[in-house]
Amino acid sequence: EPEVTQTPSHQVTQMGQEVILRCVPISNHLYFYWYRQILGQKVEFLVSFYNNEISEKSEIFDDQFSVERPDGSNFTLKIRSTKLEDSAMYFCASSPRSAETQYFGPGTRLLVL
Amino acid sequence: AQSVAQPEDQVNVAEGNPLTVKCTYSVSGNPYLFWYVQYPNRGLQFLLKYITGDNLVKGSYGFEAEFNKSQTSFHLKKPSALVSDSALYFCAVRDIRGTGRRALTFGSGTRLQVQP
Repeated sequence: EPEVTQTPSHQVTQMGQEVILRCVPISNHLYFYWYRQILGQKVEFLVSFYNNEISEKSEIFDDQFSVERPDGSNFTLKIRSTKLEDSAMYFCASSPRSAETQYFGPGTRLLVL
Repeated sequence: AQSVAQPEDQVNVAEGNPLTVKCTYSVSGNPYLFWYVQYPNRGLQFLLKYITGDNLVKGSYGFEAEFNKSQTSFHLKKPSALVSDSALYFCAVRDIRGTGRRALTFGSGTRLQVQP
């Protein structure tokens, strides 16, 4: 069964550094998403992406964040100048169409020191 | 704004007994409702969804959920719990209004503990 994959599984970085989190969505899916879960808190929506552009974003997704689909398979989340409060589990998800189920990857645990 | 409430942080049940994990929601329009399960060190796995139609939806691993519009609830149920069902369960809602709105809003999660 196809799955969403994410790399790396864990990332430790220093405050102020840039990180890129990578995702490979399910191959025939058209919609891509990033969510995050700060330890002990709810899963929160960050951004959705369709047809090579952002279709929706939350107030969390400010200028510090960007997304890109650099080729036909990868979907990346870039966090510029990381802050301590960016430490969280970041989940990528994809869905075949807008109304369909979102399938989640295993997550990348980001720790900012 | 849409929101989801899972009133129980933890539910304990004995193996073989029925289980219920509660979820209530608030949206302006009609909802799409989802249940996901998270095992340790794993991502969110889709269990089931309600889009339209029959209020009782059946999903993976013997789970089912009942959509109740008047009570704005979508409780997850299973007739006979297994120890392997022990995990963290998340309810999520999406408001179907608006063509660009795809974000899921999640509840805080309920930890299910099934005792042998």
